[in-house]
Amino acid sequence: DGGITQSPKYLFRKEGQNVTLSCEQNLNHDAMYWYRQDPGQGLRLIYYSQIVNDFQKGDIAEGYSVSREKKESFPLTVTSAQKNPTAFYLCASSIEGRPVPKTYEQYFGPGTRLTVT
Amino acid sequence: AQSVTQPDIHITVSEGASLELRCNYSYGATPYLFWYVQSPGQGLQLLLKYFSGDTLVQGIKGFEAEFKRSQSSFNLRKPSVHWSDAAEYFCAVVGVRQLTFGSGTQLTVLP
Repeated sequence: DGGITQSPKYLFRKEGQNVTLSCEQNLNHDAMYWYRQDPGQGLRLIYYSQIVNDFQKGDIAEGYSVSREKKESFPLTVTSAQKNPTAFYLCASSIEGRPVPKTYEQYFGPGTRLTVT
Repeated sequence: AQSVTQPDIHITVSEGASLELRCNYSYGATPYLFWYVQSPGQGLQLLLKYFSGDTLVQGIKGFEAEFKRSQSSFNLRKPSVHWSDAAEYFCAVVGVRQLTFGSGTQLTVLP
């Protein structure tokens, strides 16, 4: 079955450590996204990538970094510069191309809950 | 810039009752609109979408939504709620190369 996998489901880190969250998709989608979810705030876009070896900052990119070396993988690193990293992180993907609206139909992974103490 | 407002943070309904979740958007052009559902600790699942055409859109799990341009609304409805519908619901609008999500409505279903 095609889908998006995120690992691990729960992640615990000490303050000051970098941590990398995994996101893999086998949907053959071109675009991938990382969102952060906090209670009562909906989803906020961290980074997105429309094509391999290219990515763009979203609304809250500070303290995060990404890479897109393969079409199916889009790992997110939460660095020590992120002041409040404890949150639920969601990865999504979408297909590029025509019709254009289909580009915005995003499919989500199950999420990773990161706790930093 | 585009924005989405979900006025109801939390709604409680009895099983079998009808449901309407409100969504208001702000966007200059014809919007592309979505409703997603999220079960606790899970990712989001697409319920339905509006791109153009018929303003009443049917989705999965018996949900429907109506696009009303004059009211800038895209409310989600279900005629009879099941206990398994308890979840958080998000409305989203397409902006410039990204989706903008509302803050969500938490649905509780009473037996």
